[in-house]
Amino acid sequence: EIVMTQSPATLSVSPGERATLSCRASQSVGRNVVWYQQKPGQTPRVLIYSASTRPAGTPDRFSGSGSGTDFTLTISSLQSEDFAVYYCQQYNNWPPWTFGQGTKVEIK
Amino acid sequence: EVQLVASGGGLIQPGGSLRLLCAASGFTVNTHYMTWVRQAPGKGLEWVSVMYSDGSTYYADSVKGRFTISRDNSKNTLSLQMNSLRAEDTAVYYCARDLISNSVIGTTNYYYYYGMDVWGQGTTVTVSS
Repeated sequence: EIVMTQSPATLSVSPGERATLSCRASQSVGRNVVWYQQKPGQTPRVLIYSASTRPAGTPDRFSGSGSGTDFTLTISSLQSEDFAVYYCQQYNNWPPWTFGQGTKVEIK
Repeated sequence: EVQLVASGGGLIQPGGSLRLLCAASGFTVNTHYMTWVRQAPGKGLEWVSVMYSDGSTYYADSVKGRFTISRDNSKNTLSLQMNSLRAEDTAVYYCARDLISNSVIGTTNYYYYYGMDVWGQGTTVTVSS
């Protein structure tokens, strides 16, 4: 099973600042990574798929990059509504799908 | 409106059984990959099980042999039968739709995955004596 490891566990950022979240796979997953955002009391929603593609509805301040084992989600200028938990998920050789343990982005 | 509504959670003793239900509207479950994901209190997301549109089923090792995923096409619902429940099964259980497209090039079927795009609101399962 492929293990996804996210860092840091918690990221403290001031509004307007840039946030960089990392996700590392235990073996190559190509570009088969999805990023989700989960706000308290809500269900996750897709932010990015195929490592870097934004679906309709994802603001362009969110960008994804990476391939192989190392992936990054960048939020260029944090807005108040962006404070949430972010998960990466791999879908290479599925099933199983596996998630990272999450990165909480909190207000500094 | 495309929607999933999960139900069936509750408090159950270790070793007991529970059946979760996920009612879909706005689309048909038997034309999509449908997944159960759980989230233990204060923890991250854990994939539990999937049913493909062709009826194939797969399970996480942690639930294999104890949980069974199924669907009722006439009612447009997805279910998760959970037996031999353990304390570590305590979680919010979400049903979700996997958005996938495929294309056939020559004799090869290519699948494109876009993530879990529709989620039920979650139903809470607590396993405790």
